Amino acid sequence: GNSVTQMEGPVTLSEEAFLTINCTYTATGYPSLFWYVQYPGEGLQLLLKATKADDKGSNKGFEATYRKETTSFHLEKGSVQVSDSAVYFCALTNTGNQFYFGTGTSLTVIP
Amino acid sequence: ETGVTQTPRHLVMGMTNKKSLKCEQHLGHNAMYWYKQSAKKPLELMFVYSLEERVENNSVPSRFSPECPNSSHLFLHLHTLQPEDSALYLCASSSRSASGTYEQYFGPGTRLTVT
Repeated sequence: GNSVTQMEGPVTLSEEAFLTINCTYTATGYPSLFWYVQYPGEGLQLLLKATKADDKGSNKGFEATYRKETTSFHLEKGSVQVSDSAVYFCALTNTGNQFYFGTGTSLTVIP
Repeated sequence: ETGVTQTPRHLVMGMTNKKSLKCEQHLGHNAMYWYKQSAKKPLELMFVYSLEERVENNSVPSRFSPECPNSSHLFLHLHTLQPEDSALYLCASSSRSASGTYEQYFGPGTRLTVT
């Protein structure tokens, strides 16, 4: 079956620290992979995506590389800001009708 | 309006009330979804509509009743809810892009409190 596992939170970092949030997946075939971000009181926003092996998705300083050999899609940012404080969700889809989400990782960035 | 909109943003209802949540997408997508997000729980997929046909119904209690009158609108009718139904209800839509990939876009959610 299809599933997504992401690292437990919460994660607390100082401003300008390096961020990694781990995500691994189980899927049949060749899924598309996503990272979503949810700010307090809002819905999920698409942050970045990758659709095939070795693709790198990037947006707003965040990056993630689709690693088929390790079935991973880790989210990274070189220097986090207070405004990056949010909950981050890793997700995949195979069919387009069904999306599978991780449990979310809460990030707090302190000044 | 752009993207996916949801109304109301906040709703407080008693257990004997009947209310409806509304979702509208302005993206030309052909699939729409209802999710339930509760504190400290994973996102729960409730219903999926593709081309206005329900394709997923994940063992959701009958007190939740979806309706998809067209590809742009999705409703969730609520009646005789329980306090444990209090949650953030998220609507989403998706479609296949020209490059062949799917992306899902979410609305801001309706924060439901059942008293």
